[in-house]
Amino acid sequence: DGGITQSPKYLFRKEGQNVTLSCEQNLNHDAMYWYRQDPGQGLRLIYYSQIVNDFQKGDIAEGYSVSREKKESFPLTVTSAQKNPTAFYLCASSITGASIGTQYFGPGTRLLVL
Amino acid sequence: GENVEQHPSTLSVQEGDSAVIKCTYSDSASNYFPWYKQELGKRPQLIIDIRSNVGEKKDQRIAVTLNKTAKHFSLHITETQPEDSAVYFCAGVRQGAQKLVFGQGTRLTINP
Repeated sequence: DGGITQSPKYLFRKEGQNVTLSCEQNLNHDAMYWYRQDPGQGLRLIYYSQIVNDFQKGDIAEGYSVSREKKESFPLTVTSAQKNPTAFYLCASSITGASIGTQYFGPGTRLLVL
Repeated sequence: GENVEQHPSTLSVQEGDSAVIKCTYSDSASNYFPWYKQELGKRPQLIIDIRSNVGEKKDQRIAVTLNKTAKHFSLHITETQPEDSAVYFCAGVRQGAQKLVFGQGTRLTINP
């Protein structure tokens, strides 16, 4: 658990503002993922990355952007184009290859709109 | 692509009784099936997983069974305790795929 961290724990966004959620891992994992979770709902994949400087859109990528400049870091930006950003955001990481399924999750960031 | 359906969406059992959650998957090439537990406000955590070359796996009070022919797998929790109350997610992935496909989740409540 302690190997993957997210900050901040709570984040407030104003209308028209871009905000960035941080995700860092020291597990030496190649793959990293961002999920969105709405109250009482499941996990929806936003973006994922298998290697540095490469990432792919998930199921709900519109209004979000990511970068993967370092193996340890996978920040998520919620842009002003995301009209309903209030949710719990979870970052995860895993070893690529056959063990891909063993994902370790960060503690999450709860994003609220002012 | 893969689709994972999970049932029931909510489950309430008396403390000490057993709980069973079922998932079905669509991709016959899927070969890895993890289960995650998420307590209220916390992160999901892996509790047990199974690969397609195994039919059943146990870890103390929890077990997972896999029926490849029918393309479904189930989580079994015996002697349930209050701390088992949580949301449980199943998932599936095929060899070489880059992302897990999660079920919709089951909210399990253990009544004292």
